[in-house]
Amino acid sequence: DAGVTQSPTHLIKTRGQQVTLRCSPISGHKSVSWYQQVLGQGPQFIFQYYEKEERGRGNFPDRFSARQFPNYSSELNVNALLLGDSALYLCASLRAGGTDTQYFGPGTRLTVL
Amino acid sequence: GQQVMQIPQYQHVQEGEDFTTYCNSSTTLSNIQWYKQRPGGHPVFLIQLVKSGEVKKQKRLTFQFGEAKKNSSLHITATQTTDVGTYFCAGSKAAGNKLTFGGGTRVLVKP
Repeated sequence: DAGVTQSPTHLIKTRGQQVTLRCSPISGHKSVSWYQQVLGQGPQFIFQYYEKEERGRGNFPDRFSARQFPNYSSELNVNALLLGDSALYLCASLRAGGTDTQYFGPGTRLTVL
Repeated sequence: GQQVMQIPQYQHVQEGEDFTTYCNSSTTLSNIQWYKQRPGGHPVFLIQLVKSGEVKKQKRLTFQFGEAKKNSSLHITATQTTDVGTYFCAGSKAAGNKLTFGGGTRVLVKP
């Protein structure tokens, strides 16, 4: 939603490479959640961070990692990319984590060749 | 694990007609949220339901949470071309912080 920024917008990588995606939440929000949305499916929960601590993890392999910085921005890292990692990666901004209303950013479209 | 299913997967609606999309969870939910995603866009929050049997309205949209808190519905009256998009429900278990999304209902409006 308005105020949530993600970079880059689009990204093309090859199998085996590593990628870092970035997200800045709405000013005043202290939590971010990361989702993977494969074409034609609903978003799948990857991680939630609140006040720099991991508060939840979805069913994704250890190749996926994330962190949150003191300014509440966040990075999602994916190592050893597979073709199946091609998806729209969404960051959601939450005021206080948990199941608060999620304000989604525009997403990063990752294509793995 | 928790599963959230939505039906129908696709909904072709004549402009001006009404339709309903349904959301069913395999487990009792703490709350349910609805989102709309336009083609090429990102999910946008519509509403959150928390209480058993709760009904909320937003103009032509009516949202309902089931008595058992395991299902929900979205009813749209007098469909307009601006209603085109995919509607997702997303639920969470009590005291959880993981939101599980359904597969969505893709709505196409015939003028």
